[in-house]
Amino acid sequence: GAVVSQHPSWVICKSGTSVKIECRSLDFQATTMFWYRQFPKQSLMLMATSNEGSKATYEQGVEKDKFLINHASLTLSTLTVTSAHPEDSSFYICSAPKQGSSYEQYFGPGTRLTVT
Amino acid sequence: AQKITQTQPGMFVQEKEAVTLDCTYDTSDPSYGLFWYKQPSSGEMIFLIYQGSYDQQNATEGRYSLNFQKARKSANLVISASQLGDSAMYFCAMSSGGNNRLAFGKGNQVVVIP
Repeated sequence: GAVVSQHPSWVICKSGTSVKIECRSLDFQATTMFWYRQFPKQSLMLMATSNEGSKATYEQGVEKDKFLINHASLTLSTLTVTSAHPEDSSFYICSAPKQGSSYEQYFGPGTRLTVT
Repeated sequence: AQKITQTQPGMFVQEKEAVTLDCTYDTSDPSYGLFWYKQPSSGEMIFLIYQGSYDQQNATEGRYSLNFQKARKSANLVISASQLGDSAMYFCAMSSGGNNRLAFGKGNQVVVIP
């Protein structure tokens, strides 16, 4: 079946550096993808909607200049955390709507980011 | 604005017993969808069940059923015949406005004991 992958599955970076997380739809096209963030033992919070060929739509309170989203193709969206700080350490999950379904989504396995 | 509320503390459930996880929601949109996801310790989000706001019958998927009470704005998940592999966090979520953006509740931790 269709799968959404994320790369890397985990990453450790130093404070002040940038890190890129990839979200790929493996055998289907996704004009829209969603990025969520989950802090330990907390819920998923929607960060932004990634739109193929256009600018991402960010949720209120999410800094678009800090969390850069690029959806350059129908199968790939990237989230770049710029100038990362320890408070950005979190679990980042992407999802893509299932083709032919009005509601179902495929979630990626998540990327655990630790900023030291 | 959408709001999902899950207030139950962590739960221990005896294997083979049924468990009900509470979820209430709030939205001004007449068209919405309600979801339950399971998140084991690995972190993956596993879709369990969906209920549309206009669906007349409660959704069921195998051992999962959704007790949809529209007037009370509740969408409780019932897991029948609990298995050890059901131990996980369970999230209630909602989408509305005709898009797939999901708002999640805080989650319920379920531990199934033999």
